[in-house]
Amino acid sequence: GAVVSQHPSRVICKSGTSVKIECRSLDFQATTMFWYRQFPKKSLMLMATSNEGSKATYEQGVEKDKFLINHASLTLSTLTVTSAHPEDSSFYICSARDPEGGFVFETQYFGPGTRLLVL
Amino acid sequence: KNEVEQSPQNLTAQEGEFITINCSYSVGISALHWLQQHPGGGIVSLFMLSSGKKKHGRLIATINIQEKHSSLHITASHPRDSAVYICAVSEETSGSRLTFGEGTQLTVNP
Repeated sequence: GAVVSQHPSRVICKSGTSVKIECRSLDFQATTMFWYRQFPKKSLMLMATSNEGSKATYEQGVEKDKFLINHASLTLSTLTVTSAHPEDSSFYICSARDPEGGFVFETQYFGPGTRLLVL
Repeated sequence: KNEVEQSPQNLTAQEGEFITINCSYSVGISALHWLQQHPGGGIVSLFMLSSGKKKHGRLIATINIQEKHSSLHITASHPRDSAVYICAVSEETSGSRLTFGEGTQLTVNP
């Protein structure tokens, strides 16, 4: 089946630094990728939709200057948490839509997630 | 009121028991997904369905579009089934975007 990877799987950083998280589709081209945030014991919260070659679409309440998304190729999207603060500590998950995966709009594959801890 | 509601929120079972997790939604959908999230955080897509019933091994998923309800069943449950099970829907009007339920924490004791 299709595989989506994320890197790093875990990162600890100091407050004020920026952290980049990569999401890659390994065996398919993903025109659309999604970035989610998950708080402990809570469900996933969509942060933004990343479209290859165009600007990301952010959900209401998500600061686009804080969470920079770049989808430069059909297999890679990056999320950069700029000037991270302790409240940004969370579990970040990406998913990628495989347009060839059957249901044209529906097939999504999830990455393993990145756990960010900001000290 | 959430657009996707799951019940129960927590479920503890003994190994071998038949388990049912329910999902109700209030919007028009193009597909419903059942996802499994393990303690480490990784998410696996179990089923994607828009009608009827699907079966994969010990897992069965059903959906009733008229009643806007889906169930996930696990037969002969095993401790390795312990995970959070999440129901998510693709809304008719939002393309690929998923709306998630809160999840059901399942613990299967040996």
